[in-house]
Amino acid sequence: RKEVEQDPGPFNVPEGATVAFNCTYSNSASQSFFWYRQDCRKEPKLLMSVYSSGNEDGRFTAQLNRASQYISLLIRDSKLSDSATYLCVVNVLGDKIIFGKGTRLHILP
Amino acid sequence: NAGVTQTPKFQVLKTGQSMTLQCAQDMNHEYMSWYRQDPGMGLRLIHYSVGAGITDQGEVPNGYNVSRSTTEDFPLRLLSAAPSQTSVYFCASSQPGGPNYEQYFGPGTRLTVT
Repeated sequence: RKEVEQDPGPFNVPEGATVAFNCTYSNSASQSFFWYRQDCRKEPKLLMSVYSSGNEDGRFTAQLNRASQYISLLIRDSKLSDSATYLCVVNVLGDKIIFGKGTRLHILP
Repeated sequence: NAGVTQTPKFQVLKTGQSMTLQCAQDMNHEYMSWYRQDPGMGLRLIHYSVGAGITDQGEVPNGYNVSRSTTEDFPLRLLSAAPSQTSVYFCASSQPGGPNYEQYFGPGTRLTVT
């Protein structure tokens, strides 16, 4: 099993829809969890950290389920500008950060 | 603040040539790392450093060397370029406790090895 796995997509959803991404990780001792966003031919940028209690930032909600070893990202009322690749990132143990392969999202007008 | 800078932006090498990709940050970050990104493969960690004088291997270190003589700079050396090293290379930095905090990425270097 890969250390961090994501559905590669692409997800094609109409503007205004709600879209959800899941990510699973293999190491139960993983410490920190993040979602990054990467636009085409650009560097990744932090979208949000994921906390044990779940957290929300505007239209974005992140959840962590340690028992099942997955994290999720929910985007409500999706905008055209949300089109990007979303990367699940896990601090597996200690000093190494592992990126998932990313899920491509296309918001359709 | 310039953040994380990388040079060059683009590079074409012939098989067997060597070169150094430069990475610098002006945020006084202790943790720095190098990734490569290939289509369908996501970002893979090559080498990382938790501070000046300390480096360690990531997932895919073969064919690459690093050193960290200063806090600001973390160059990546390709010893003998191979077509399999054609990729986009990203450098990143973060504050102490690095992996638990936001990673700031440079704009990337697009390398082609022919």
